[in-house]
Amino acid sequence: GDSVTQMEGPVTLSEEAFLTINCTYTATGYPSLFWYVQYPGEGLQLLLKATKADDKGSNKGFEATYRKETTSFHLEKGSVQVSDSAVYFCALPYSGGGADGLTFGKGTHLIIQP
Amino acid sequence: KAGVTQTPRYLIKTRGQQVTLSCSPISGHRSVSWYQQTPGQGLQFLFEYFSETQRNKGNFPGRFSGRQFSNSRSEMNVSTLELGDSALYLCASSTGLNYGYTFGSGTRLTVV
Repeated sequence: GDSVTQMEGPVTLSEEAFLTINCTYTATGYPSLFWYVQYPGEGLQLLLKATKADDKGSNKGFEATYRKETTSFHLEKGSVQVSDSAVYFCALPYSGGGADGLTFGKGTHLIIQP
Repeated sequence: KAGVTQTPRYLIKTRGQQVTLSCSPISGHRSVSWYQQTPGQGLQFLFEYFSETQRNKGNFPGRFSGRQFSNSRSEMNVSTLELGDSALYLCASSTGLNYGYTFGSGTRLTVV
């Protein structure tokens, strides 16, 4: 079935460093792709999305480009802040045959040090 | 605009018991999906409902069930609880997959 692979971390960076979190996927066709973020003690929040190949999603300084050639959707940010510390999940639609639902990667724990 | 509300926030149950969790979606959202989050398995899709119909189901045993009411509120039930069912259960609502999901804060279930 469809699946998502992402680096699990923890990834520890200093404030203002450049961030890349890798995400690759296996899927039939060209599904929509998502990045969600989970802050401590909270549910998930949609960070950004791309609904077709070559689309770039962006939000709060984060960006990710849908690359069908490499089946990737890597998350990047030019200058991270302490407030970006969270767990980041790459996701795509669940392929169980129905309409909705998401398959998530294992999550990448990001720690930003001042 | 109210978000997705899950109740209760925390729950402790004994092995063998059953439990019902509740989810109230954002007004106007007709799709509700449920997920189990554990440290070992991560986030796993349980099922999705739309207009009171289950449209999609993940790879979980029949002890896990759910339903959706005419006002889009949803419940999930776990019968004959096992220690391994201890997890954070998240509910999400949406107007459609490509619009993304809004998640609730979850119900933390501990089975002892």
